[in-house]
Amino acid sequence: NAGVMQNPRHLVRRRGQEARLRCSPMKGHSHVYWYRQLPEEGLKFMVYLQKENIIDESGMPKERFSAEFPKEGPSILRIQQVVRGDSAAYFCASSGTGGAFFGQGTRLTVV
Amino acid sequence: GEDVEQSLFLSVREGDSSVINCTYTDSSSTYLYWYKQEPGAGLQLLTYIFSNMDMKQDQRLTVLLNKKDKHLSLRIADTQTGDSAIYFCAESIEGGSYIPTFGRGTSLIVHP
Repeated sequence: NAGVMQNPRHLVRRRGQEARLRCSPMKGHSHVYWYRQLPEEGLKFMVYLQKENIIDESGMPKERFSAEFPKEGPSILRIQQVVRGDSAAYFCASSGTGGAFFGQGTRLTVV
Repeated sequence: GEDVEQSLFLSVREGDSSVINCTYTDSSSTYLYWYKQEPGAGLQLLTYIFSNMDMKQDQRLTVLLNKKDKHLSLRIADTQTGDSAIYFCAESIEGGSYIPTFGRGTSLIVHP
């Protein structure tokens, strides 16, 4: 049973480009969460999704950020027109019953 | 203040026990978690405890929960250098969306 898979592990984008981060939850998990971790800080919740539905996006910036979890395929976190301040580690977690399991993260660097 | 608070650093000698503490504010917390993050890596779920329990033991790890004081601790027996990492406490709440809320993490440094 593979864990939560995130790709890419590292992503470099120039300012103004788009970043797409992918997350495949653990088998049997239907809840996906995205978090952002800035250097020297903890994890900040961004968005919680179930299949085809956004349940809670209270932690996600209103502009440039979007997330989806389609019926088929991975969850996608999309950042449009990236800025330097978007540089961070983005973690995805999935849960079924009991505990949220995290992927290895995608480290986004905006140059 | 923060929903989940932890001290930022802990330094211990190899072979000693480490105790990492955490306080939380939401009395309806259902799950309380401990995660470990090594440098450049993701978060590894170490253990979790339901709020109707007061203790859970798993090999070298012991979790104690004082629900009255909203205090959670993680004890690592016989701490090794490989235990050096950041340890995050998190809570989630039943009836909501189970979204784990994290503390800022405690950096555990184990020296010989």
